[in-house]
Amino acid sequence: ETGVTQSPTHLIKTRGQQVTLRCSSQSGHNTVSWYQQALGQGPQFIFQYYREEENGRGNFPPRFSGLQFPNYSSELNVNALELDDSALYLCASSLDDPSYNEQFFGPGTRLTVL
Amino acid sequence: GESVGLHLPTLSVQEGDNSIINCAYSNSASDYFIWYKQESGKGPQFIIDIRSNMDKRQGQRVTVLLNKTVKHLSLQIAATQPGDSAVYFCAESGNKLVFGAGTILRVKS
Repeated sequence: ETGVTQSPTHLIKTRGQQVTLRCSSQSGHNTVSWYQQALGQGPQFIFQYYREEENGRGNFPPRFSGLQFPNYSSELNVNALELDDSALYLCASSLDDPSYNEQFFGPGTRLTVL
Repeated sequence: GESVGLHLPTLSVQEGDNSIINCAYSNSASDYFIWYKQESGKGPQFIIDIRSNMDKRQGQRVTVLLNKTVKHLSLQIAATQPGDSAVYFCAESGNKLVFGAGTILRVKS
């Protein structure tokens, strides 16, 4: 069984740039959630994708967008990067939605915006 | 709005002692509450969960207690080991997880 993987591990961007982060779900999982974790804080929910459709969104502006592909892998895109976007971005996969199911987290992508 | 918070930001315990990490939550409608462990450079790792209709649940060396009257959640770790050193988060669950800020657990040898 393959766990959740994310790429890249680290990324440095400058203000105004755009970034794409990638996530591969755990085998058999069809739901992917993205979280932003600022230093010293708990993860904050960005959005969730279930069977390629957005299924819930947190309090993040529209410049945060995502995709889920037929193989259930996912991308998080952030446009017009701001300094406050510097954080660890976590992807979590689970099986089925909307009821609670255990979410399995990847190691995260550390984004630094200069 | 929803919020999940922790009482203590840092907890230092002696190896072999028991640890208790506390959490307060505000959304009484949540069905599940979960504890996660996050080690440096890694994503959160599931430890144990508890359904809202339960008061206590035990796992291997860990116990979660839920007090719905005062909206309080706790994680007890028995015989704390150096490998338990990490940040611990409580979270409440629906289709999304709402996390608290975390408690740093430091185990002294």
